[in-house]
Amino acid sequence: QVQLVQSGAEVKKPGASVKVSCKASGYTFTTHYIHWVRQAPGQGLEWMGIINPNGGTPIYALHLQGRVTMTWDTSTSTVYMELSSLTSEDTAVYYCARDQIRGLIPFDYWGQGTLVTVSS
Amino acid sequence: DIQMTQSPSSLSASVGDRVSITCRASQSIITYLNWYQQKPGKAPKLLIYAASTLQSGVPSRFSGSGSGADFTLTISSLQPEDFATYYCQQSYSVPRTFGQGTRVEIK
Repeated sequence: QVQLVQSGAEVKKPGASVKVSCKASGYTFTTHYIHWVRQAPGQGLEWMGIINPNGGTPIYALHLQGRVTMTWDTSTSTVYMELSSLTSEDTAVYYCARDQIRGLIPFDYWGQGTLVTVSS
Repeated sequence: DIQMTQSPSSLSASVGDRVSITCRASQSIITYLNWYQQKPGKAPKLLIYAASTLQSGVPSRFSGSGSGADFTLTISSLQPEDFATYYCQQSYSVPRTFGQGTRVEIK
């Protein structure tokens, strides 16, 4: 069965970086984009960026450019999201989600979420 | 960026009620509109994509309509498990923007 399994919760100090992983299984890794979405406590969903496991440059939300880096490892079907210069505003649950490259079905499977807490 | 605006931001309803949530895009997105349901502490769940296509396994009491810039999610007969927050999202372009959410509460 399709699964996106994310790494565990993180606690970071302001100014630090965090790297969250998302391991895909149960489908052909290269048939779907992977997006990252975050949700601050009590808030809505915020799109962060997209990677194409077939190659190409990731696309990031404008307000995160310069702080976010998304990478992937096809050999392990894993996608990574690194966010630097953390502030308390980055405290959120971070999700990965897949999106068909050829087709209309978006975000049909999501990771379980990774809570990142930024606190001094 | 395409802005997505949902209304209402919250609503109270009873089991068995018919409930509608609207979503407006800042420009035409044809039918590249998706709906998600989220319950506390859980990842969002895809309900409807391409404005009106029910995702596999989603009950038929959920339906979607609309095209261009105006869309509606309808729950024909609200069930206890439907109390949640609902988000629309456009997949016409990047960034894949979401609406701000509509919280459906028990009256």
